[in-house]
Amino acid sequence: SQQGEEDPQALSIQEGENATMNCSYKTSINNLQWYRQNSGRGLVHLILIRSNEREKHSGRLRVTLDTSKKSSSLLITASRAADTASYFCAPGDSSYKLIFGSGTRLLVRP
Amino acid sequence: GAVVSQHPSWVICKSGTSVKIECRSLDFQATTMFWYRQFPKQSLMLMATSNEGSKATYEQGVEKDKFLINHASLTLSTLTVTSAHPEDSSFYICSATGPGNQPQHFGDGTRLSIL
Repeated sequence: SQQGEEDPQALSIQEGENATMNCSYKTSINNLQWYRQNSGRGLVHLILIRSNEREKHSGRLRVTLDTSKKSSSLLITASRAADTASYFCAPGDSSYKLIFGSGTRLLVRP
Repeated sequence: GAVVSQHPSWVICKSGTSVKIECRSLDFQATTMFWYRQFPKQSLMLMATSNEGSKATYEQGVEKDKFLINHASLTLSTLTVTSAHPEDSSFYICSATGPGNQPQHFGDGTRLSIL
C-alpha cells in the first residue's frame, strides 16, 4: 500500500462556499478512498472511486480521479460548519491496507 | 451502514498497568481488522493488521510483545497494551473490513492516558 499526499494542508472557507482538496499518489491503484475525521473521533468513510472511474458523486461530494496524473480531488459544495474536519485520501490496492497521509484540515466559518 | 464499536472510549491508568481495548463489528463479519495510533495533530499510523483466526501482522517498529492483538472471532478484535508507560499515551483507533476490497469502517477511538 502507499500513502496519499493531501493538499492543501489546511483550508479555511466561509459557509456556503465550495471546498476543494487534492490527493496525489505514486504508483498504480485499484481504487482511492476519501475519509473524514472529526476532532477526537474515528474516521468516517465518504466515498470510494475505482481506478476505471473518472468521477463519482455522493450528495454534496464530488470526487474525481485522474490515473494518468495519479491524482484525485474531493469537492464539497455548499459547505456547512458541520463539514469542519480533517479529510484523508487513501490509495487502495489488493492488500486491503490503507496508509494515511497528514490530511487536509478544513475549517468552515459560520 | 456498517457499524464498528470500540470500547472503552477513554481510559486513564497508572504506569505499569495493562489495558485492553475492544473493537467489535456490530452488523457485518469483519474478516480483517486494523489497529491505528494517532498522536495529536498527526495522521493515523497503522500498527497492525489482524485476520480472524490468525496471528496479527505488525508494521515495522511496532513491538508485538507490547501491543498484543487477538482476533478470535469475525466480530471481535482486542488490543492489549501491556505494562503501559506514559509514552504509550495516545489515541488508538480500530477499523474493520469484510471480504473483498471494501471500505474500512472505523471505531470512535480510545483515548489512553498513562500517568
